[in-house]
Amino acid sequence: SQTIHQWPATLVQPVGSPLSLECTVEGTSNPNLYWYRQAAGRGLQLLFYSVGIGQISSEVPQNLSASRPQDRQFILSSKKLLLSDSGFYLCAWSATGFEQFFGPGTRLTVL
Amino acid sequence: GDSVTQMEGPVTLSEEAFLTINCTYTATGYPSLFWYVQYPGEGLQLLLKATKADDKGSNKGFEATYRKETTSFHLEKGSVQVSDSAVYFCALTVTGGGNKLTFGTGTQLKVEL
Repeated sequence: SQTIHQWPATLVQPVGSPLSLECTVEGTSNPNLYWYRQAAGRGLQLLFYSVGIGQISSEVPQNLSASRPQDRQFILSSKKLLLSDSGFYLCAWSATGFEQFFGPGTRLTVL
Repeated sequence: GDSVTQMEGPVTLSEEAFLTINCTYTATGYPSLFWYVQYPGEGLQLLLKATKADDKGSNKGFEATYRKETTSFHLEKGSVQVSDSAVYFCALTVTGGGNKLTFGTGTQLKVEL
């Protein structure tokens, strides 16, 4: 069966510090991968998606970036965090292209 | 562009009450429709789905019917439990372009004894 992992689970970072969140998927090959952000009390905003290694599409201009160095690994990064980057970050994957399956999320607090 | 509109929350019900959470959509193609549930502090779980008009998705006592004529996908449950307290998201995807999901803003459900 397929599983999706995210780490860390929680993170507290100062403004201006770098960020690296990691997502890995097991049990499937060549999945579509997605990064979402959920601000407190709000819906989900798609940040990036990838249909293959090295293929990244950005949905919203921001100071975040994403990379897919391996088939089942998706990384969300920032060189300098802003207060507005605080939120709950969710990684998801899909195989057939319809339903997406979500990881447990990373709660990021920028102080 | 594609969009999903959900009823505002929070919705507060007594245990064993009937639940309806309204969801309507706008899409340029022929979307697949989903309901996801998010329990506190967790990621989203797929609750049910429907891929074509008149399909009924069902799971754990929840149901939703894909109504193309009214562009709706309302979530229903006949008797809610305290354990159903969560945030419910309606979403759609149209084939192609990375099969991105478009989410509604979510509806918080609180079930009390």
